[in-house]
Amino acid sequence: QVQLQESGPGLVEPSQTLSLTCNVSGGSISSGGYYWSWIRQYPGKGLEWIGYIYYIGTTNYNPSLKSRVTMSVDTSKNQFSLKLTSVTAADTAVYFCARELHSSGYWEVDFWGQGKLVTVSS
Amino acid sequence: QSVLTQPPSVSAAPGQKVTISCSGNNSNIGNNYVSWYQHLPGTAPKLLIFDNYKRPSGIPDRFSGSKSGTSATLGLTELQTGDEADYYCGTWDDSLIAAVFGGGTKLTVL
Repeated sequence: QVQLQESGPGLVEPSQTLSLTCNVSGGSISSGGYYWSWIRQYPGKGLEWIGYIYYIGTTNYNPSLKSRVTMSVDTSKNQFSLKLTSVTAADTAVYFCARELHSSGYWEVDFWGQGKLVTVSS
Repeated sequence: QSVLTQPPSVSAAPGQKVTISCSGNNSNIGNNYVSWYQHLPGTAPKLLIFDNYKRPSGIPDRFSGSKSGTSATLGLTELQTGDEADYYCGTWDDSLIAAVFGGGTKLTVL
């Protein structure tokens, strides 16, 4: 059973960079076939897909966030990371890391982390 | 404003059945498979249905999924108090080039 756990600061100042890491256990990021993604949930409970990274470093970001997002992967540590720059209060959310499957015609998330609340405030 | 439209809430008595709808368009539901997720706040969301109607191992057959055109439906039968949660639909959107979700439906088992 794959398990994912988010870690990082729970409070970020406006205009700064949000940085989160997801540690994966129970499966290897390098095994291929899966994409490693970030999804956030706003206080009003709506979900927004941020993007994914493949173990070789290929990325795909939500166009609405693309200019501010960078994802990276560290296969030696079996973890992947998210950086979101120039944050504002609108970026306050619970951030989930997840494992997704994606191919032509289908997309799904089969495992999620428990989520990390990140508040943007001075 | 979520791309996919779900009712904010549904309710039913224990032992009864309920359906949750998810409406989209030809760029998302109309051209891609739909998945459904159960989320209890503070926990990891759980995949309930993938590829419109398939259930992962361990998900009871009380949960079902279907799709017709640009809409999808999650069905739950023999409701239990433990089914109280938020339910989300999700799929890929070919126009937005991103995964999209519904706004979530809160299920109350009265």
